[in-house]
Amino acid sequence: EAGVAQSPRYKIIEKRQSVAFWCNPISGHATLYWYQQILGQGPKLLIQFQNNGVVDDSQLPKDRFSAERLKGVDSTLKIQPAKLEDSAVYLCASSLDTSYEQYFGPGTRLTVT
Amino acid sequence: AQSVSQHNHHVILSEAASLELGCNYSYGGTVNLFWYVQYPGQHLQLLLKYFSGDPLVKGIKGFEAEFIKSKFSFNLRKPSVQWSDTAEYFCAVKGDNYGQNFVFGPGTRLSVLP
Repeated sequence: EAGVAQSPRYKIIEKRQSVAFWCNPISGHATLYWYQQILGQGPKLLIQFQNNGVVDDSQLPKDRFSAERLKGVDSTLKIQPAKLEDSAVYLCASSLDTSYEQYFGPGTRLTVT
Repeated sequence: AQSVSQHNHHVILSEAASLELGCNYSYGGTVNLFWYVQYPGQHLQLLLKYFSGDPLVKGIKGFEAEFIKSKFSFNLRKPSVQWSDTAEYFCAVKGDNYGQNFVFGPGTRLSVLP
């Protein structure tokens, strides 16, 4: 089965610019997660979708971050404007349902200069 | 709020040595517990998980973990490591109540010397 796809793999932007990341989960997976992983730390959940509804976005900095999951499949995560501290790997994961094993994508490494 | 701590930041072992990586969590309710591994250049992948039942859980590649509820611990073990076990290991916890989500530990980097 195809895994979780993410693009781009790498992105370098200047602070105050905007950036968007895309995720295509495993087919049939209802739950989709976006994580932020700062160097030397574990992944931190930003937002969780169940189909196309938001389940948890309590740790999403909503003044600059936004995410959507149209039609309950693909998802995009946007940062506008970016700050230096947003430099991290952004991971997308999907699972059959909320309590099932998560499958992770390769991540997008964002560098903000 | 849930939190997860991992005892060691970086562990260095020789091949055939035994491994134990510590994981402790703070959450008062029922939990689901996970160990994920990230090999160099690869995605995070699940090593093993505990939902209920036998507290000794066996995973892939000879790894096992023991859930000790009284100690809020879920330590990962392997009797004899190989060079190919060199990776970053993450413990994760998910509270069983509605609204509780996955919380990952900071990770432990394991280097196995040939």
